[in-house]
Amino acid sequence: NAGVTQTPKFRILKIGQSMTLQCTQDMNHNYMYWYRQDPGMGLKLIYYSVGAGITDKGEVPNGYNVSRSTTEDFPLRLELAAPSQTSVYFCASSHRAGNSYEQYFGPGTRLTVT
Amino acid sequence: KQEVTQIPAALSVPEGENLVLNCSFTDSAIYNLQWFRQDPGKGLTSLLLIQSSQREQTSGRLNASLDKSSGRSTLYIAASQPGDSATYLCAVKDAGGTSYGKLTFGQGTILTVHP
Repeated sequence: NAGVTQTPKFRILKIGQSMTLQCTQDMNHNYMYWYRQDPGMGLKLIYYSVGAGITDKGEVPNGYNVSRSTTEDFPLRLELAAPSQTSVYFCASSHRAGNSYEQYFGPGTRLTVT
Repeated sequence: KQEVTQIPAALSVPEGENLVLNCSFTDSAIYNLQWFRQDPGKGLTSLLLIQSSQREQTSGRLNASLDKSSGRSTLYIAASQPGDSATYLCAVKDAGGTSYGKLTFGQGTILTVHP
């Protein structure tokens, strides 16, 4: 299993450009998440999904959109990039085993908006 | 709203020392608490997950404890090695039917173990 994979690893955007961060998992997990991590900070939840076709906002959703058309893929879309979106983005997935939702993380995408 | 705090923010120790990292959370209604390791420029690796009904979990030289009523967890690392140098993050999953596994993270403790 590759686990959770993310592309690209690095990206530089100009203000106002758009892009899609890709995330794929091969563990057949129903739950998927997008987090951002700013320097010296913990991770903050942007959006999450509990299954194909179902998404919901997290703590910091403004400026982002998501879709979940398959179990495996959970892309994150930035429509009008702003400097405040400069961050490292992590995708994660989990399955439910009782009350446990142990999360598995991808390697991250480092995004700079200038 | 759940808040998670980790103390200290950074820690530097000589190789071989035993050390403790602290994590506190404001809302004791949690399902579980997870400790992660993050190497520079890398993703997160899960170290230990403690369910709310458990008091501790062990994996090799790592031992994590949970005191849910006081809102505290500790990660104990025995006989530290330079390879343990990394950022350690704790995260809690709140109880509640609509939380769907969402985690609230602390800001992390940067650990440096020098030879």
